Amino acid sequence: GENVEQHPSTLSVQEGDSAVIKCTYSDSASNYFPWYKQELGKRPQLIIDIRSNVGEKKDQRIAVTLNKTAKHFSLHITETQPEDSAVYFCAASMTGNQFYFGTGTSLTVIP
Amino acid sequence: KAGVTQTPRYLIKTRGQQVTLSCSPISGHRSVSWYQQTPGQGLQFLFEYFSETQRNKGNFPGRFSGRQFSNSRSEMNVSTLELGDSALYLCASRPGPSQETQYFGPGTRLLVL
Repeated sequence: GENVEQHPSTLSVQEGDSAVIKCTYSDSASNYFPWYKQELGKRPQLIIDIRSNVGEKKDQRIAVTLNKTAKHFSLHITETQPEDSAVYFCAASMTGNQFYFGTGTSLTVIP
Repeated sequence: KAGVTQTPRYLIKTRGQQVTLSCSPISGHRSVSWYQQTPGQGLQFLFEYFSETQRNKGNFPGRFSGRQFSNSRSEMNVSTLELGDSALYLCASRPGPSQETQYFGPGTRLLVL
């Protein structure tokens, strides 16, 4: 089955700096890659996703890039704010199949 | 639309007992997936149900089982609880398996003593 690895497990940045979280996947058939944000005590919420026919997608301060050849995708958060502090999960799936999640990155934005 | 709901939100059980957790999907969503979340392990897929049929199953022992009702509500059951079953159990719903975006419920936190 698919295996998703996520790095780093913890990340601290100064407010206003950028944060980058990277994930790799093993199954070249995976074609959908969502990112979830989970604040303490809350449910995971989808913040951005990308499909395999697209190389990059942006939504205001967040962006995701996908390199199908290398089988890795990354989440980029620019101009970080304290409210960006949370655990971020990447995932990979093939349409119609289950989701495989990374182990999460705990992001702390220091004011 | 109301979001995904899960009951109960918190549960304390002792080893050897069994537990049943419930998940009500977003109205119109017929696919429900269950995940176990533990620190350091991320979200691990348990199973997915669609139209009352289990479509996919993760690598969990047979003590973990589930079902889905005709109204798309789903339950998962864990029998003969072990200490290691302590976790946050999340369910997620989506309209159908071909729709990629899934929405999570708040989870049920299970503590096994």
